[in-house]
Amino acid sequence: GDSVTQMEGPVTLSEEAFLTINCTYTATGYPSLFWYVQYPGEGLQLLLKATKADDKGSNKGFEATYRKETTSFHLEKGSVQVSDSAVYFCALIDNRDDKIIFGKGTRLHILP
Amino acid sequence: DAGVIQSPRHEVTEMGQEVTLRCKPISGHDYLFWYRQTMMRGLELLIYFNNNVPIDDSGMPEDRFSAKMPNASFSTLKIQPSEPRDSAVYFCASSLRDRGAGQPQHFGDGTRLSIL
Repeated sequence: GDSVTQMEGPVTLSEEAFLTINCTYTATGYPSLFWYVQYPGEGLQLLLKATKADDKGSNKGFEATYRKETTSFHLEKGSVQVSDSAVYFCALIDNRDDKIIFGKGTRLHILP
Repeated sequence: DAGVIQSPRHEVTEMGQEVTLRCKPISGHDYLFWYRQTMMRGLELLIYFNNNVPIDDSGMPEDRFSAKMPNASFSTLKIQPSEPRDSAVYFCASSLRDRGAGQPQHFGDGTRLSIL
């Protein structure tokens, strides 16, 4: 079945560091890919998405490129801030189905 | 625009009591999902509806759990009787049906449930 694998956390970085959170997926169809962010005490919020190969999703300085050849959707940000501390979830929707498949989440701590 | 609205935000009750969680999806959305989040198991899909009809309830842990969607603007998740292991954050999410366009799910802020 479809699945999403993302790097385990926690990830701890200093402010202004470069961030990469790896995400790979397995899907038999042609999925749409997402990154969600969850701040403490809140629900998941859509951060960015990409619906086809080579698409780049971007939002709030975060970027991720849909790489079909490596089945990856790594999240990057050039300079993180303390306010980026949260849990990040990689996810896919296989367009043959209605359910979203989430990775286990990666907790990010940014130190001032 | 109003997002997904869940109530209550927090619920503390004693084991054996009935618990009812409520959700109002975004107007016009035709999918509604119920999730449970714990430290041990992460985010689990419990059940989802399409046009008020339950499509997949395979994630519902046992018969103590039930969910209904009497109309397009309201859903409930009920636990009866509740047990301490049901303590978790329960999320409701809604989305539009548009396969191929990557319609995301929109989440509520969750109900933090504690069963003593």
